[in-house]
Amino acid sequence: DVRLLEFGGALVLPGESLRLSCVASGFTFSDYAMNWVRQALGKGLEWVAVISDGGGSTDYGESVKGRFTISRDNSKNTLYLQMNNLRAEDTATYYCAKNSYRGRSSSNFDSWGQGTLVAVSS
Amino acid sequence: QLVLTQSPSASASLGDSVKLTCTLSSGHSNYAIAWHQQRPEKGPRYLMKSNSDGSHTKGDGIPDRFSASTSGAERYLTISSLQSEDEADYYCQTWGTGIVVFGGGTKVTVL
Repeated sequence: DVRLLEFGGALVLPGESLRLSCVASGFTFSDYAMNWVRQALGKGLEWVAVISDGGGSTDYGESVKGRFTISRDNSKNTLYLQMNNLRAEDTATYYCAKNSYRGRSSSNFDSWGQGTLVAVSS
Repeated sequence: QLVLTQSPSASASLGDSVKLTCTLSSGHSNYAIAWHQQRPEKGPRYLMKSNSDGSHTKGDGIPDRFSASTSGAERYLTISSLQSEDEADYYCQTWGTGIVVFGGGTKVTVL
């Protein structure tokens, strides 16, 4: 079974940085593009970023462009999200999500993690 | 601009059916979408992909009570024989080159 496990959520001050990790198992990680999605408390889902299967291509949502960086280490089956210059509005639960189709960066998601909470507050 | 529109809420009685709608923005009626369920305090769960031709692909273990259909720019998710565990938020998702979009979600209440 596909399993995605996020780590790294914490309470941080505005302007600080944080790195999230997502460890994947149950599938060939290097074959699939991966995403980060966030959800503020009581709000809907917001797509954050996608990275291609090989890691050579990335795209970001407008609200995080220039501040967040998505990356992956296929040898460790791990996805990362480096978040810099955090703002109060970045407070959310962050989920990693797997694309459904091998080799495609644009696709529906077919697996989700359980999420990790990031809180940005002074 | 690629946008998905969902009604904020829907309700039906235990054992009845409920039909949720996800509407694609103008010019995007041929896009496929996916439906995801999010139960309270849980992460989302993939239900199925719904194509513009009406075909759909379910996720593993998704009961037959869940089905999808299409009419023009509208994509529907029907839950039949509604059960208490179906009370959840339901999100539609679509995608393009370098972009992923979610609808605002529909909260389903089982009466």
